[in-house]
Amino acid sequence: DGGITQSPKYLFRKEGQNVTLSCEQNLNHDAMYWYRQDPGQGLRLIYYSQIVNDFQKGDIAEGYSVSREKKESFPLTVTSAQKNPTAFYLCASSIGLGSYEQYFGPGTRLTVT
Amino acid sequence: DAKTTQPPSMDCAEGRAANLPCNHSTISGNEYVYWYRQIHSQGPQYIIHGLKNNETNEMASLIITEDRKSSTLILPHATLRDTAVYYCPGPGDSWGKLQFGAGTQVVVTP
Repeated sequence: DGGITQSPKYLFRKEGQNVTLSCEQNLNHDAMYWYRQDPGQGLRLIYYSQIVNDFQKGDIAEGYSVSREKKESFPLTVTSAQKNPTAFYLCASSIGLGSYEQYFGPGTRLTVT
Repeated sequence: DAKTTQPPSMDCAEGRAANLPCNHSTISGNEYVYWYRQIHSQGPQYIIHGLKNNETNEMASLIITEDRKSSTLILPHATLRDTAVYYCPGPGDSWGKLQFGAGTQVVVTP
C-alpha cells in the first residue's frame, strides 16, 4: 500500500522537552510538507521541502526544525522554543512542489503540559 | 496570496445533493481551484481540482464560473460519510504552497 505514515498518533510531552514527529512516505514524491492545525482552524504551513537536503520555512516556522536526509522521510522537531506546541500536526507529500495535489498522513496529536 | 472565502457551515440531507460554494475573486488566470475535505481527526483528503472547465470524478463535480471568481463543489448524493470540513485552499505566496482557511463544516443528516 502506498501512502504516508505518521507516528505516533498521540504524543505527550512535558514543557521544555524537544520532541520529534515522524513522517514517512513510499509514494516516491519529491515534495513534502508539515502543517499545524489548532482546534476549529485551518492548516498552517510550518516547513516544506522540494528535494532531499533542501527545505524552506513556511508561515509559522519559529520553534520548529526539520531535516530531509532521505526522499522518504521528513521528520519535524518541535523544540522547547515553540511557545504553544500543543496541536494536531499533519505531514503531506506531492509529486513535486508545483503540484497542489497533496496527500496527507493521519496526523499526530501532540499535547505538551 | 489568493484568498478564498467559504460559509462556515452547511447541513445536507442524506441522498440529496450538497452544493458547497467558494469565493476566490483574487485568483489569477493560471491558478487552479482545489478542493479537499477533512473528516474529523484525520488528515485532509484531496477531492478535485480545475482551471476553467467543469470537472467530475468519482467523488464530486466542480463547477467554476466563467469569470473564475467562484466555484461550487457538488456532492451529488450525500451520504453520512461525507460529513467533514471541506476546504478550497488558495495558492500561497510562493510556488507549491496552499493556504487553507477554516473551510465549511458539512453535516449530512439521515
